[in-house]
Amino acid sequence: EPEVTQTPSHQVTQMGQEVILRCVPISNHLYFYWYRQILGQKVEFLVSFYNNEISEKSEIFDDQFSVERPDGSNFTLKIRSTKLEDSAMYFCASSGDREETQYFGPGTRLLVL
Amino acid sequence: AQSVTQLGSHVSVSEGALVLLRCNYSSSVPPYLFWYVQYPNQGLQLLLKYTTGATLVKGINGFEAEFKKSETSFHLTKPSAHMSDAAEYFCAVRYNYGQNFVFGPGTRLSVLP
Repeated sequence: EPEVTQTPSHQVTQMGQEVILRCVPISNHLYFYWYRQILGQKVEFLVSFYNNEISEKSEIFDDQFSVERPDGSNFTLKIRSTKLEDSAMYFCASSGDREETQYFGPGTRLLVL
Repeated sequence: AQSVTQLGSHVSVSEGALVLLRCNYSSSVPPYLFWYVQYPNQGLQLLLKYTTGATLVKGINGFEAEFKKSETSFHLTKPSAHMSDAAEYFCAVRYNYGQNFVFGPGTRLSVLP
């Protein structure tokens, strides 16, 4: 069964450093998403991406964040200068053209020190 | 603003007892409705979804949920709890095709022997 994959599973970084979180969505999907979950809190939407551009973003997704689909398979989330409060689990998700279900990856746990 | 509420941040049931996890959404337009489960240190796994058609939907692991438009609810049930059901359960709604999910705060289910 196809699945969304994410790398790395864990990332530890120093405050102010740049991080790139990587996702490989399900191959025939067209919509891509990033969510985050701060420890003990609910899952929050960050950004959605379709047709090589951002289709929607939340207030969390400020200028420090960017997304890219550098090739036909990867979908990345970059945090330009990490802050302590960026520590969270980051989930990538994808959905197909005619499906409503979003399929989630296993997440990347980011710890900013 | 669109919102999803889950009554009870923590629910405890005995093994073999009925599981009832509540979800209500705020919208006059019926959204697409989902339940996801998150096991410790894992990602989000789809349990079931409602888009159109029959309002009682069956999912994996014996779970089912009923969409009640008049009550704006989508409560999750399972007739007989198993120890392996212990996890965090998230209700999510999607108001427009291709748009992001709005997640509820989650309900942690504990199953007592």
